[in-house]
Amino acid sequence: AQKITQTQPGMFVQEKEAVTLDCTYDTSDQSYGLFWYKQPSSGEMIFLIYQGSYDEQNATEGRYSLNFQKARKSANLVISASQLGDSAMYFCAMRESYGGATNKLIFGTGTLLAVQP
Amino acid sequence: ETGVTQTPRHLVMGMTNKKSLKCEQHLGHNAMYWYKQSAKKPLELMFVYSLEERVENNSVPSRFSPECPNSSHLFLHLHTLQPEDSALYLCASSQELVSSYNEQFFGPGTRLTVL
Repeated sequence: AQKITQTQPGMFVQEKEAVTLDCTYDTSDQSYGLFWYKQPSSGEMIFLIYQGSYDEQNATEGRYSLNFQKARKSANLVISASQLGDSAMYFCAMRESYGGATNKLIFGTGTLLAVQP
Repeated sequence: ETGVTQTPRHLVMGMTNKKSLKCEQHLGHNAMYWYKQSAKKPLELMFVYSLEERVENNSVPSRFSPECPNSSHLFLHLHTLQPEDSALYLCASSQELVSSYNEQFFGPGTRLTVL
């Protein structure tokens, strides 16, 4: 069965420092997609970054980058130059294979990031 | 309004009440989803609709009844809920149900408390 594991329930980081949020996944599919979402206290899930299993380069979106290590089945999120507004829950998610009948996202339990001034 | 909106944002109800959650997407998407987010648990997919047809029902109790009258609106009708149903209910939409890259856009959620 497909599964997402986030082993860090909470993380602290100093403002302007970089932080890495861990995510490992388990799937037998060859084609899959990996997502990171941010959930501030307001509740809304905000899409941050996407990595396809066949993408050879690590995805980057502004201050966000995804450290994709396919052999180790890890997809860690790196946030550079942390800002106070980055304090939130962060969820790693995986989408079923492209040929699946449903675009289903499987989520991890999340990591609560606190950015300290 | 832009993106995905949900009303109400907060709801407190008794176990014998009947209420409905509303979701509206202003993105022209064809697929919509209901998720349940309980404390310290991963998001759970409840229902999936594509072009107003339900394509997935993940063993959700019948006290939750979804309705999708058109591709822009999704409802979750609630009746005789249990206290363990208290959670954040998130609605999401995506352009299509299946594609090589299919980001889901989420609404702000409805925080439900069942007394």
